[in-house]
Amino acid sequence: GEQVEQRPPHLSVREGDSAFIICTYTDSATAYFYWYKQEPGAGLQLLMSVFSNVDRKEEQGLTVLLNKKDKRLSLNLTAAHPGDSAVYFCAVSVKGGSAKLIFGEGTKLTVSS
Amino acid sequence: GPKVLQIPSHQIIDMGQMVTLNCDPVSNHLYFYWYKQILGQQMEFLVNFYNGKVMEKSKLFKDQFSVERPDGSYFTLKIQPTALEDSAVYFCASSLLGVYAEQFFGPGTRLTVL
Repeated sequence: GEQVEQRPPHLSVREGDSAFIICTYTDSATAYFYWYKQEPGAGLQLLMSVFSNVDRKEEQGLTVLLNKKDKRLSLNLTAAHPGDSAVYFCAVSVKGGSAKLIFGEGTKLTVSS
Repeated sequence: GPKVLQIPSHQIIDMGQMVTLNCDPVSNHLYFYWYKQILGQQMEFLVNFYNGKVMEKSKLFKDQFSVERPDGSYFTLKIQPTALEDSAVYFCASSLLGVYAEQFFGPGTRLTVL
């Protein structure tokens, strides 16, 4: 079945710097891609979602890149601030499937002022 | 925005007992999910549910697990009997549609089996 790997597991940046997180997946039928943010004690908050026909998507300081050839998905937070400190998860689902999400291991981002 | 509630937030029980985890999904949502996260590990899909039926379940969804949503009330995950390896945080999610619809997640229930 689908396997998703995410790195790095921990990331520390200074306020104003960029934070870059990457995920790789194995199933070429994967069609839907997501980035979630989890703050302590809270559920997951969807940041962005992309279809497989999109290579790049930008919204509110976030850039998602999808490289289908290499089966790689990335998230770049530009100009991070302390409020961005959280755990970030990538997730994917397969076209024609039941909509279950397969998650990466998560990246704990710490943004210091 | 829309919120998914989970009750209780924490539950401690003895091995072998039954436990029911409750999820109050977004009111007009039709698809429901449970995910399991063991401390320090990635979140894993357990089961999804639509129109009164299980759509798909993973190998983590053991025979001791069951889900239901009687009469549009809570969407529940029941474990009977519990085992030590069931200790984890269980997240409920709901979505209006199926594939590619945003899944809204609850804050999780931390289950500790002693």
